Amino acid sequence: LAKTTQPISMDSYEGQEVNITCSHNNIATNDYITWYQQFPSQGPRFIIQGYKTKVTNEVASLFIPADRKSSTLSLPRVSLSDTAVYYCLVGDMYSGYSTLTFGKGTMLLVSP
Amino acid sequence: EAQVTQNPRYLITVTGKKLTVTCSQNMNHEYMSWYRQDPGLGLRQIYYSMNVEVTDKGDVPEGYKVSRKEKRNFPLILESPSPNQTSLYFCASSLSGIGEKLFFGSGTQLSVL
Repeated sequence: LAKTTQPISMDSYEGQEVNITCSHNNIATNDYITWYQQFPSQGPRFIIQGYKTKVTNEVASLFIPADRKSSTLSLPRVSLSDTAVYYCLVGDMYSGYSTLTFGKGTMLLVSP
Repeated sequence: EAQVTQNPRYLITVTGKKLTVTCSQNMNHEYMSWYRQDPGLGLRQIYYSMNVEVTDKGDVPEGYKVSRKEKRNFPLILESPSPNQTSLYFCASSLSGIGEKLFFGSGTQLSVL
């Protein structure tokens, strides 16, 4: 399973755009990239998933370059409620026969 | 409502007293898994299951057991809990694999005295 590397923490202010980059140099052909958000004492919550290029939903965008060795989660106009830990995961969409490591994630702190 | 239900939410026990944390999903998901979360260590996978009677170890399986007798249920069993198993535990499920969207339960905070 591809290992991912993310910044430990990031700071931002309300209303700004936040970009969190994840490195996954050993990503495999069948691997998808998925981002989760976790608030204290709650289970992680799915944000967005993609395979290549750009994916956008109502809360975020995911940018994946052609070589797929990294990905960037973009949160537009963050608010205080976006303060959370964000995890980048890489995994085969169709295979469950492997461990799934979340890593330590990126702690995003949004200030007024 | 689609959900993963864990019980109990909080549990305090003593060393050596067997306990079970239940996990149930109502989405007919094939894949289920258990994680523990400790400060500074992120989420670590304990066990996972791809289907009924198919389970396998994750990164930190020592001291834990699981079973998957029914598709919807995936209990976590601590035969002889120890203080180092004090942690926040999460159950999760997905439709068919680890690359799919995972749905998490609300967590079980376990304290072993």
